[in-house]
Amino acid sequence: DAKTTQPPSMDCAEGRAANLPCNHSTISGNEYVYWYRQIHSQGPQYIIHGLKNNETNEMASLIITEDRKSSTLILPHATLRDTAVYYCIVSTDKLIFGTGTRLQVFP
Amino acid sequence: EAQVTQNPRYLITVTGKKLTVTCSQNMNHEYMSWYRQDPGLGLRQIYYSMNVEVTDKGDVPEGYKVSRKEKRNFPLILESPSPNQTSLYFCASSLPSYEQYFGPGTRLTVT
Repeated sequence: DAKTTQPPSMDCAEGRAANLPCNHSTISGNEYVYWYRQIHSQGPQYIIHGLKNNETNEMASLIITEDRKSSTLILPHATLRDTAVYYCIVSTDKLIFGTGTRLQVFP
Repeated sequence: EAQVTQNPRYLITVTGKKLTVTCSQNMNHEYMSWYRQDPGLGLRQIYYSMNVEVTDKGDVPEGYKVSRKEKRNFPLILESPSPNQTSLYFCASSLPSYEQYFGPGTRLTVT
C-alpha cells in the first residue's frame, strides 16, 4: 500500500500557485519524498524530490515539514498544461504509486 | 534525446497468443522496471531489473516474464495472455536510487 495520503482532487485558477499537500506520517529516516505527475494516460513524469530540506527546480518547489510527516508541492504559476494527476511517493528506491491528486487548472 | 521507448503502443490480441512488448532506453541506466496501470488501482510494479541478467519480481508478476540480456533493453513477455492482463503498461528506467523516466505506455487489450 502507498504510504502517503493525498486529497483526491483540487482546482486551481490559471496563473495562480497550486499547492498540493501530502501526508506521510510513517516516513522513515532514509526515505525520500518524490513527486511525479501523469498527464492523461501518458507515462508519469518526474517533478522533484527531497529528503529533509526544501527543494526548488524549474518545474516546482517542494516544502517538507521539519518533522518530515508532510510535504507540499508548489507549482508557482499554474497553467492549463499542468492539469494532471500528481503522485506523492515516499521511497528509498521502489516507487509505490497511490491514487494521487487530480489537479484541474481552469482558465 | 534521452528517452524510454516502448513498442507497440497499442495491441489487441486474443487469449493464449504469446506476445512481447519491447522497452528500450538510451540513457545507460542500470535500473529498469515494468508497471501496469488499471482504473482505480494506480500503477503497480510487475518486474524490475537492477542490471544486466539481474531481474526480480515486483508486486504483480503472475503471468509475465522478463529478460535483461542487454543494458538498454527490457522486454515484457506474456506467454499466454488472458483478459485480466488487459491494461496500460509502462516501462521505466533510472540510475540506482534516482528519479525514474517512464516510457509512453502500451495499451494492451486481450479478448
